[in-house]
Amino acid sequence: SQQGEEDPQALSIQEGENATMNCSYKTSINNLQWYRQNSGRGLVHLILIRSNEREKHSGRLRVTLDTSKKSSSLLITASRAADTASYFCATDAGYGNKLVFGAGTILRVKS
Amino acid sequence: GAVVSQHPSRVICKSGTSVKIECRSLDFQATTMFWYRQFPKKSLMLMATSNEGSKATYEQGVEKDKFLINHASLTLSTLTVTSAHPEDSSFYICSASPSGILDEQYFGPGTRLTVT
Repeated sequence: SQQGEEDPQALSIQEGENATMNCSYKTSINNLQWYRQNSGRGLVHLILIRSNEREKHSGRLRVTLDTSKKSSSLLITASRAADTASYFCATDAGYGNKLVFGAGTILRVKS
Repeated sequence: GAVVSQHPSRVICKSGTSVKIECRSLDFQATTMFWYRQFPKKSLMLMATSNEGSKATYEQGVEKDKFLINHASLTLSTLTVTSAHPEDSSFYICSASPSGILDEQYFGPGTRLTVT
């Protein structure tokens, strides 16, 4: 079952602006991951954050995790038109390496 | 990096026929592979977990006789959609987890199935 809820469902911003996407989940987790999907394509792994971590950076990406609120956020700084894609969070939900995906946020970066 | 391929990338078949989709890990061995289904503008729904040398584990609501999964080697899993119907039209994505590394999954590019 899908346990992740993402918000917003869709986000449209101008190039150069920052984009923030949020994800909430319901059960305990070992880790949470963010993925990107270009239209009609497979998923690209962006970043993994473990339950004992609060923040992680990778290039223009910053991910936070608040296990007390069961939520995570993905921040993309200085967005580019090429960042236009769908972004999904996924949790292991304690099922070993089975992933449960959130509903996703469709990001559109206008140039 | 780890690469997973799927074949075919697109397939159109007639109602009542069966279609096989292959998922291969190209540069690593994968004890476990996963099959997902994705509807337009929706998220990925896990269909089944495929373990090399054993029967697949299906998620609730997924018909195992409809979606046959075979994981015959450490680099290949196949999903066969039997007696396909238009409602089976979807984007099917596989992922592979390197043996012994539970945190990592690498996704294939997906297969677009259209049943006419």
